[in-house]
Amino acid sequence: NAGVTQTPKFQVLKTGQSMTLQCAQDMNHEYMSWYRQDPGMGLRLIHYSVGAGITDQGEVPNGYNVSRSTTEDFPLRLLSAAPSQTSVYFCASSYSRISEAFFGQGTRLTVV
Amino acid sequence: GEDVEQSLFLSVREGDSSVINCTYTDSSSTYLYWYKQEPGAGLQLLTYIFSNMDMKQDQRLTVLLNKKDKHLSLRIADTQTGDSAIYFCAESNRGNQGGKLIFGQGTELSVKP
Repeated sequence: NAGVTQTPKFQVLKTGQSMTLQCAQDMNHEYMSWYRQDPGMGLRLIHYSVGAGITDQGEVPNGYNVSRSTTEDFPLRLLSAAPSQTSVYFCASSYSRISEAFFGQGTRLTVV
Repeated sequence: GEDVEQSLFLSVREGDSSVINCTYTDSSSTYLYWYKQEPGAGLQLLTYIFSNMDMKQDQRLTVLLNKKDKHLSLRIADTQTGDSAIYFCAESNRGNQGGKLIFGQGTELSVKP
């Protein structure tokens, strides 16, 4: 079972470039989220989705866009990368809003 | 607002017990979780406790919840070098949308042989 798959694992961007971090899950979970992890700050919620076609902002949404056209996929877009977006990004999915969250392996993004 | 706090580091010797502490502010927290993150990996759920419970034991893991003080702890008995990782406390409540979890900063556990 693949679970939650994130691509790429590593990425280096120049300031101002755009890119999309991919996240896919094969567990038919309705709930999907994107977090960023920074040293000493734990994980902070960027955006989340409660089902296909429904997304909402989390704690730190600025500079990021999401869409949810299918249950399986929840891509995260950086429209104009900034050095402050250097971080490790995790995608998570869960069956319900209170059930166990399954995490991907993470994408380590560096913006220079 | 909601906040979860943890100490950043803990060092123990192999075979000792480890106790990782967490405090939270949301009095409506319904579920409290402990996640483990090994180097270069994602987070993996270790255990969880409902807010109407005081204690939960699962093999070497014991979770204690003091709801009055909003204090959660994770005890690992007979700690092994393989337990070295970052441990995150997280909380959610029924009112949260989207499986939203509020995480602490993470406690880095170092186990010395």
